[in-house]
Amino acid sequence: DAKTTQPPSMDCAEGRAANLPCNHSTISGNEYVYWYRQIHSQGPQYIIHGLKNNETNEMASLIITEDRKSSTLILPHATLRDTAVYYCIVRAGTYKYIFGTGTRLKVLA
Amino acid sequence: DTEVTQTPKHLVMGMTNKKSLKCEQHMGHRAMYWYKQKAKKPPELMFVYSYEKLSINESVPSRFSPECPNSSLLNLHLHALQPEDSALYLCASSRDREAFFGQGTRLTVV
Repeated sequence: DAKTTQPPSMDCAEGRAANLPCNHSTISGNEYVYWYRQIHSQGPQYIIHGLKNNETNEMASLIITEDRKSSTLILPHATLRDTAVYYCIVRAGTYKYIFGTGTRLKVLA
Repeated sequence: DTEVTQTPKHLVMGMTNKKSLKCEQHMGHRAMYWYKQKAKKPPELMFVYSYEKLSINESVPSRFSPECPNSSLLNLHLHALQPEDSALYLCASSRDREAFFGQGTRLTVV
């Protein structure tokens, strides 16, 4: 199963873009990259996912490098409510969502 | 409705007790999951049911026994647990894209 590596923590000023990197150098060609976040021991919340192309939704953008070995989650205008642990996941097969160690993002006022 | 409902929210049990955690979804998802999460750690996959059949068991000790009575329900039966089994237990469901997670059951084994 592909493993993901994330920085343990990051700070971001409120209103600025938060760029969260993830390394998944062992990813296979048909494995998707997912991003979730978890706010204070609530259940993880889905943010976005992608395979090869960059993706954008109402919450965030996902940039995947051409070799697919890394990706970046972008929160365009971070707010205090975006303070959370962000997990990058490579889905192995149809059902294996394996969480990485996560990045604790703190948005500062 | 994109909700996965877990009950109870909190549970305290003794090491000789038998208890069950319940998970319910009405999104028509055919895959359901149990995860275990210790404090300040990522969720760890325990079991996956696909079309009501157990498809993944991540070498979980037999004191944890999953059950999928129908496509909307998932149970986790607990017996003879140890204090180190205290954790947040998360249920999730999915179709073929993202998985939706419940809010978890916080289990304390005394």
